[in-house]
Amino acid sequence: GAVVSQHPSRVICKSGTSVKIECRSLDFQATTMFWYRQFPKQSLMLMATSNEGSKATYEQGVEKDKFLINHASLTLSTLTVTSAHPEDSSFYICSARVVGPARFFDEQFFGPGTRLTVL
Amino acid sequence: LAKTTQPISMDSYEGQEVNITCSHNNIATNDYITWYQQFPSQGPRFIIQGYKTKVTNEVASLFIPADRKSSTLSLPRVSLSDTAVYYCLVGDGGGYQKVTFGIGTKLQVIP
Repeated sequence: GAVVSQHPSRVICKSGTSVKIECRSLDFQATTMFWYRQFPKQSLMLMATSNEGSKATYEQGVEKDKFLINHASLTLSTLTVTSAHPEDSSFYICSARVVGPARFFDEQFFGPGTRLTVL
Repeated sequence: LAKTTQPISMDSYEGQEVNITCSHNNIATNDYITWYQQFPSQGPRFIIQGYKTKVTNEVASLFIPADRKSSTLSLPRVSLSDTAVYYCLVGDGGGYQKVTFGIGTKLQVIP
């Protein structure tokens, strides 16, 4: 089946630094990728929709200048948390929507997530 | 996007059948119903999807009544490894839509 990877799986950084998270579709092309954030014991909250070759669409309340998204190819999207602060500590998950024939409607696959801890 | 309501948590003993019901009273004609499973510190995984009546695959069944205002995910003979959060999502079948997760149901399987 289709696989989505994220790198790194876990990152600890100091407050004020920037962190880049990669999301890759390993064996399929994805014109659309989504970025989610999940706090402990809470559901996934959609942050932004990333389309290859165009600017990301951010959800209400998500600062686009803080969470920079780049989707430069059909297999890679990156999320950069700029000037990270402790309140940005969370579990970040990406998903990739399949291009072409799908097994089910709106088929998309989720990455394993990245645990960000800001000290 | 149609809003969904699920029980926050459920407990079940190993080997039992578990049914998790999701309410989606304002589901639209084009909406599909999709269930995902999420283990701690992992991304969600697709379980099953349906539009009406009954759908069955190798891991679960999905029952959807005629009015489609609810759906029930049925997990046969659960094991400890089925302990996870289960999300019911309703999406517009008319085109690419963003996925919105509700609170989900935390299923705890007890030995």
